[in-house]
Amino acid sequence: DIQMTQSPSSLSASVGDRVTITCRASQAISTSLGWYQQKPGKAPKLLVYATSRLESGVPYTFSGSGTGTNYTLTITSLQPEDFATYYCQQYYSIPLTFGQGTKVEIK
Amino acid sequence: QGQLVQSGAEMKKPGASVKVSCKASGYTFTSKNINWVRQATGQGLEWMGWMNPNSGNTGYAQKFQGRVTMTRNTATSTAYMELSSLTSEDTAIYYCARGLGDYDYVWGTWGQGTLVTVSS
Repeated sequence: DIQMTQSPSSLSASVGDRVTITCRASQAISTSLGWYQQKPGKAPKLLVYATSRLESGVPYTFSGSGTGTNYTLTITSLQPEDFATYYCQQYYSIPLTFGQGTKVEIK
Repeated sequence: QGQLVQSGAEMKKPGASVKVSCKASGYTFTSKNINWVRQATGQGLEWMGWMNPNSGNTGYAQKFQGRVTMTRNTATSTAYMELSSLTSEDTAIYYCARGLGDYDYVWGTWGQGTLVTVSS
């Protein structure tokens, strides 16, 4: 199984801050990487897929990048509605696996 | 875009089985795979498996092999996930999710989740 390691597990930031979340795969996953946002009591919401493709309707303040085993989700200017938990997910091979999540909290 | 609506919360005793439904609307049910993902309280996301609603073909994560069965009713556009031999470790929210465009394993549409509680 491919292990996905996210960092940090949590962070505190202010509105307007630039935030970067990283995800490292235990083996190369050929950009088969997605990012999801989850708010309490809600289903996950797709933000980014294929490493850098933004899902329809997702603000351009979100972006993804990476290659090989290392991937990044960046929020260029944190908005109040962005406080949530973020998960990376690899879909390069079965079983599909997720990172453990990064909780973004208000400073 | 369509939507997925899941059945309500369930409470089960250890050793029992649970069957969760996921009703699709607003798109052609047989056109996209349905995947199931679960989340224990306060924990991360765990993929359980996939089902092709057109063929009925399935693929399960090794962890759930022998205990999970994914089926569908094409007449009602409903997918089902049945999990047997429940233990307290299976207490979680169970989500169904549908692939995005040509991506079977990128999920742009999710059900609202079904809480399954296993307790004696």
